Amino acid sequence: DTEVTQTPKHLVMGMTNKKSLKCEQHMGHRAMYWYKQKAKKPPELMFVYSYEKLSINESVPSRFSPECPNSSLLNLHLHALQPEDSALYLCASSQSIGGAYGYTFGSGTRLTVV
Amino acid sequence: GQNIDQPTEMTATEGAIVQINCTYQTSGFNGLFWYQQHAGEAPTFLSYNVLDGLEEKGRFSSFLSRSKGYSYLLLKELQMKDSASYLCAVDQTGANNLFFGTGTRLTVIP
Repeated sequence: DTEVTQTPKHLVMGMTNKKSLKCEQHMGHRAMYWYKQKAKKPPELMFVYSYEKLSINESVPSRFSPECPNSSLLNLHLHALQPEDSALYLCASSQSIGGAYGYTFGSGTRLTVV
Repeated sequence: GQNIDQPTEMTATEGAIVQINCTYQTSGFNGLFWYQQHAGEAPTFLSYNVLDGLEEKGRFSSFLSRSKGYSYLLLKELQMKDSASYLCAVDQTGANNLFFGTGTRLTVIP
């Protein structure tokens, strides 16, 4: 298995909703990442987990809450989002933290906040 | 800090060759990646350059000059399916992240 699987592929949520994005990989990668990507912009790093511990939080608002239950799973819990949070949310994994091994990206969750 | 620049948009003709440039300024450099991203899809790995020179993989080649802070991606025999965004990303020494350039949107026309 050489893929990163993200669910759901599309999500529409209201500003008062609570939802979660899920990411799963079975490549034995020990680093996992959440990126946010707006249209026609490069991916922006949100969070990095290394060996299931939060390593980097790029000053992301608390309405985004990451969770890494085990080495294969990464969740992003969403609560009280704003319309400007609408974007493509990408999960990625790598063998180890840092870029040298390259990243494998999931296909993303297209989030629309209404 | 880091600064990574790419042209925003390029257009090229099917069957032709196109070169997409990337310049970077980083405090510490390990290597440079090129990713392809079709609209609404995940970035997919194309190449990774650590040493100076040209790396060739089929229709795609990537070049790196560390002393000049410069890389390019060369696409030969362009096909319509090559229409996508091309992202260069720097692996910075001591960082736990890849730093992406703004991406170049390539449109291939018949």
